[in-house]
Amino acid sequence: ETGVTQTPRHLVMGMTNKKSLKCEQHLGHNAMYWYKQSAKKPLELMFVYNFKEQTENNSVPSRFSPECPNSSHLFLHLHTLQPEDSALYLCASSQGLGPGDYGYTFGSGTRLTVV
Amino acid sequence: RKEVEQDPGPFNVPEGATVAFNCTYSNSASQSFFWYRQDCRKEPKLLMSVYSSGNEDGRFTAQLNRASQYISLLIRDSKLSDSATYLCVVDALGGNEKLTFGTGTRLTIIP
Repeated sequence: ETGVTQTPRHLVMGMTNKKSLKCEQHLGHNAMYWYKQSAKKPLELMFVYNFKEQTENNSVPSRFSPECPNSSHLFLHLHTLQPEDSALYLCASSQGLGPGDYGYTFGSGTRLTVV
Repeated sequence: RKEVEQDPGPFNVPEGATVAFNCTYSNSASQSFFWYRQDCRKEPKLLMSVYSSGNEDGRFTAQLNRASQYISLLIRDSKLSDSATYLCVVDALGGNEKLTFGTGTRLTIIP
């Protein structure tokens, strides 16, 4: 596999459920990111990890809990979400912290619907 | 002023025409500039980095104007496959650190 892979592609969950999103990158990058994209809004940065250490939490509610066991894997654990959390969740990676010359590489995203 | 601002469009352009988008950014210390393309229900993909001297890749030309704090994207001889949302992306905090995305400009090429 190449690039950035996200699973699942689609997820429907109830407000009392617990689920996890997974991201894996095969690019040898050291930094990974979670973004949220809601309809008609720009991408919102949620979390940043560099060499598996969290370097930024962009005031994200605690019902979103990231985990980065190594530089290639990133998880987003979800619990007691609200309907307004329904969005496209995108994982991205970059060689180092910051875009460099090539920006970020994105996964195909998980489209989350909270019912 | 928003960190990164784009005209959301939509731009409806006949096939073969030339179309240009502008994007303004608020932080004069910004160093990294990109145009991304996002197709409907897909992830953003890097279209071009934008360099100080301007750069061209086939039918696409990107320009940076630091004095006026905007970047532009010009698409010549537009194709149906160019229909997408074009995202302006800037390291809005400066220092070549994290990227801030504009809301995007929706382009539809009409046969």
